[in-house]
Amino acid sequence: KAGVTQTPRYLIKTRGQQVTLSCSPISGHRSVSWYQQTPGQGLQFLFEYFSETQRNKGNFPGRFSGRQFSNSRSEMNVSTLELGDSALYLCASSLARGVNTGELFFGEGSRLTVL
Amino acid sequence: AQSVTQLGSHVSVSEGALVLLRCNYSSSVPPYLFWYVQYPNQGLQLLLKYTTGATLVKGINGFEAEFKKSETSFHLTKPSAHMSDAAEYFCAVRNFGNEKLTFGTGTRLTIIP
Repeated sequence: KAGVTQTPRYLIKTRGQQVTLSCSPISGHRSVSWYQQTPGQGLQFLFEYFSETQRNKGNFPGRFSGRQFSNSRSEMNVSTLELGDSALYLCASSLARGVNTGELFFGEGSRLTVL
Repeated sequence: AQSVTQLGSHVSVSEGALVLLRCNYSSSVPPYLFWYVQYPNQGLQLLLKYTTGATLVKGINGFEAEFKKSETSFHLTKPSAHMSDAAEYFCAVRNFGNEKLTFGTGTRLTIIP
């Protein structure tokens, strides 16, 4: 069974550009969450999608957005990139909402560098 | 609001020695608690979790953790460290009905040969 797949794994952008990251969850998983990991702030929750609807959102500016498609694949977009957006962006999937195992399966992440 | 505190950003132990990584949480309702491990350039892997029931939880790779409500702790232990245990470890908390995980700042474990 394939795990969570994130693309691209590495990318370099310049300030002011925008970026789109993709996440394919484990087959059958319907919930997708995104986290930002930086040395200074650690792991921060961005948002969670289920059935193509954003169900939960963290404390990030509106430049950070996402969506989920009918096949549960998800994308996140960051517009007008800032140096501080340099981070590892992790996607995680779980079987369903309200299933109280809380087990998230993480991808290997997309490492974004903003110059 | 829920929060997690991991005491010690860096821990070093000798190979074969006891591993103890500390985690304290704050939650207004009974929490679900997790330990994840992250190897370099990889995502997070679940080590173990506590939801309900037995407070001593066993996980993968010989790790275990005990939920102590009175101490609001969920410390991670392993009797004998192995070189392959070198990684960063994250404690996380989640409340029922909320899919969001709140992570601690992580503890980097180094194993001394």
